[in-house]
Order: sequence, then C-alpha cells, then structure tokens
Amino acid sequence: EAGVAQSPRYKIIEKRQSVAFWCNPISGHATLYWYQQILGQGPKLLIQFQNNGVVDDSQLPKDRFSAERLKGVDSTLKIQPAKLEDSAVYLCASSLDGQAWSNEQFFGPGTRLTVL
Amino acid sequence: GNSVTQMEGPVTLSEEAFLTINCTYTATGYPSLFWYVQYPGEGLQLLLKATKADDKGSNKGFEATYRKETTSFHLEKGSVQVSDSAVYFCALSGGGGSYIPTFGRGTSLIVHP
Repeated sequence: EAGVAQSPRYKIIEKRQSVAFWCNPISGHATLYWYQQILGQGPKLLIQFQNNGVVDDSQLPKDRFSAERLKGVDSTLKIQPAKLEDSAVYLCASSLDGQAWSNEQFFGPGTRLTVL
Repeated sequence: GNSVTQMEGPVTLSEEAFLTINCTYTATGYPSLFWYVQYPGEGLQLLLKATKADDKGSNKGFEATYRKETTSFHLEKGSVQVSDSAVYFCALSGGGGSYIPTFGRGTSLIVHP
C-alpha cells in the first residue's frame, strides 16, 4: 500500500513570495490533515478535510494561508505572501475517517520550508 | 481547549535501561490517546494507542495505560535498544466533541550502546 506522498520535500523562498505544497493521501482515506511543525515543537493542525469539505480550519491563518482538496483526493496548501515565521515543516496526514477519534493518522515525509 | 504536556528531552539512556516518558493531557470527555514516533529521517508513525480509560496500548515492547483519574498516558519500555532512538510524540483526539488532533512538543530519546 502506497503511503502519503508530499512534494516538494524542501523549499527555500524569500519573504513575501508565494509557495504551494501538494499532498496525495492514501487511497480510500476520507480525512486529510495539514499540520505545521516548527522546530522543537509538536505538529499543529492547520486544516482538516473530510472528503472535500472542511471540518476545521480554526488555526489556519486565513489572511495568508489557503488550502483546497479537489475531488476529495489530492490537496494543496498555499502561503501567500510568506513571512519569516512560516519557516517550518509542513506535514500532510490522512486517516480512514477522522470523525472516528480512534483512527490512526498516516503521515507523509513533510515539506521543509525555509523563508529568508 | 485540549492540550498535551510531555516531559522535556532529550532523554539519554544506556542500552537495556528502563524508559519512562511522561505525558499528561487536558480535555473534556474521553479522548483517544496516542503515541507517535519519528525515527531519524522518517515521518511520524503510530506507535500505540488507547481509546478508553484503563486501556493499555502496546507495541514493540512499549506500553502506555490510559489513566483518566490522573489524565496521564505515560510511555514505558522495560529495556531500550539503540534502535529506539527517536522523537516520541504524545497526542489526543476527540473528547468534548472536538475532533482536532492535539500533539505534545515531542521528547527526544537517545540510547547509547
């Protein structure tokens, strides 16, 4: 079974530029998560999708971050414009059904973003 | 809101030593509790979980018991190996009607031969 795929793995940009990350979850997984993990901290949920609907985006800085999940499969996360404090690893995860609290999440390798 | 507190690392042990990594949580209701592990150069993966009070999750020699009375989910292993060197994250999901998964900041474990 293929795991969660993310690209790119690394990205370096200057502040005020824009950047986009892509995620392909495990086939058949209804729930997709985007997390931000700053060095030395645990993952912080940015947005959670159930199929192609948003379950929670309360921690997404909506003035600069946006995300979509087309057709309930792949997802993209965009930052525009980027700030220095956005430097972090962006993790994508998926689960069979996030509405079931006990469901395991499967994580991708992450995208390490450096904003200069 | 929900929160997870883990002991700060790094935790440095010799091979075959006993391991405890403390985790306490704040949540209403009965969340599910998880330990995820991140080996060097790899993504996070589930180590074990428990979904109700007094449940014990176990995997690869690691154990953790869901203690509702102390709101804790401490990770233990009787004899660590060098290959257990990794970062361990305690997490919860659910409880009080919130689906938002919440992670601790992670505890780095270094095991010396």
